[in-house]
Amino acid sequence: QVQLVESGGGVVQPGRSLRLSCVASGFTLSPYGMHWVRQAPGKGLEWVAVMWYDGSDEYYADSVKGRFSISRDNPKNTLYLQMNSLRAEDTAVYYCARGVYSNGWYPDYWGHGTLVTVSS
Amino acid sequence: SYVLTQSPSVSVAPGQTAAITCGGNNIGSKSVHWSRQKPGQAPVLVVYDDSDRPSGIPERFSGSNSGNTATLTISRVEAGDEADYYCHVWDSRSNHVVFGGGTKLTVL
Repeated sequence: QVQLVESGGGVVQPGRSLRLSCVASGFTLSPYGMHWVRQAPGKGLEWVAVMWYDGSDEYYADSVKGRFSISRDNPKNTLYLQMNSLRAEDTAVYYCARGVYSNGWYPDYWGHGTLVTVSS
Repeated sequence: SYVLTQSPSVSVAPGQTAAITCGGNNIGSKSVHWSRQKPGQAPVLVVYDDSDRPSGIPERFSGSNSGNTATLTISRVEAGDEADYYCHVWDSRSNHVVFGGGTKLTVL
């Protein structure tokens, strides 16, 4: 069955960097767009970034643009999120999600998330 | 940027019908998707493309979309349906996913 497993979260000081990974199983990554979505404690879902199925295009939420970078390794069935210049407001559970194309990439399966805490 | 508006909460008695709405400018021209999130769990897609259900989602879950409002309808509500429900769309102008603020469904 479809599984997405995130890792790489933890406690990090403001201004530092962190790299998240998301390993997919039960399906091949290559035909799908892939998203990162986050959820701050007690808050709603916030979309972070998307990468096209072949890595040809990527888009970011304004709140992370210029600081975060999404990438993928299709042969390894793995998605990444490089997070630089982290801020306290980046504290959240980060989910990766598979994207299906239907007038745009919509998330259909989600991982269980990895918690990132930005604190001094 | 495109904005989706959801009521913060909806309450319904077991066995009744819950309607959760999602408002957006001309949302009827977009494909609307709904995800459910139970406490401490990852979101799960329950309706996609306005009204289709993924495999494993009961027929009690249905969706509609017209004009400026999309609606997720849950018939014969059960205690296990208690969760946060999020509508989301793809904004083709920005190539972003947009989420509504979420609606907490409480089963009385």
